Amino acid sequence: GDSVTQTEGQVALSEEDFLTIHCNYSASGYPTLFWYVQYPGEGPQLLFRASRDKEKGSSRGFEATYDKGTTSFHLRKASVQESDSAVYYCALSSDSNYQLIWGSGTKLIIKP
Amino acid sequence: DPKIIQKPKYLVAVTGSEKILICEQYLGHNAMYWYRQSAKKPLEFMFSYSYQKLMDNQTASSRFQPQSSKKNHLDLQITALKPDDSATYFCASSETGGGTLYFGSGTRLTVL
Repeated sequence: GDSVTQTEGQVALSEEDFLTIHCNYSASGYPTLFWYVQYPGEGPQLLFRASRDKEKGSSRGFEATYDKGTTSFHLRKASVQESDSAVYYCALSSDSNYQLIWGSGTKLIIKP
Repeated sequence: DPKIIQKPKYLVAVTGSEKILICEQYLGHNAMYWYRQSAKKPLEFMFSYSYQKLMDNQTASSRFQPQSSKKNHLDLQITALKPDDSATYFCASSETGGGTLYFGSGTRLTVL
């Protein structure tokens, strides 16, 4: 079955550091890929999505490029801020399925 | 104004009791979902509904019963509550199956 793998359970950075959170997927065809962010006490919210190979999604300084060759959708940000502290989820959807397949989430901690 | 309303925000119940979690969405979406989040499983899909019909059920226990009285309502009835049911329950909706999910702020359930 389809799956999403996030290798980092937690990432600790200082302000202005470069962020990479890895996301690899396994699915047939062309799934739609998502990044969601969840702040404490809130539900997850969409950061951005991408639907085709080489498409770049971006929002609030975060970006990721759909790479079908390496089956990846890695999240990057050039300079993190304290306000970016949250849990980030990679997810995929295929064939209008009513169930998104979620990664295990990566908690981003910004050190003071 | 929040577009997905979940009530109550916090809920405390005793073991063996029954509770209903309320969800209403005002986004005009056709699909609605329930997710559960706990320390053991970061984000766990439970149910999906489309046009008030059950599309997918990933909850093993029949103690969890979704109820859809209107297209924009999807309540969750939980019977014979157990301490292991303690979690935050999120309602979500999307325009169509496989589309971008929009989450409510959750109901935090504690079973004593």
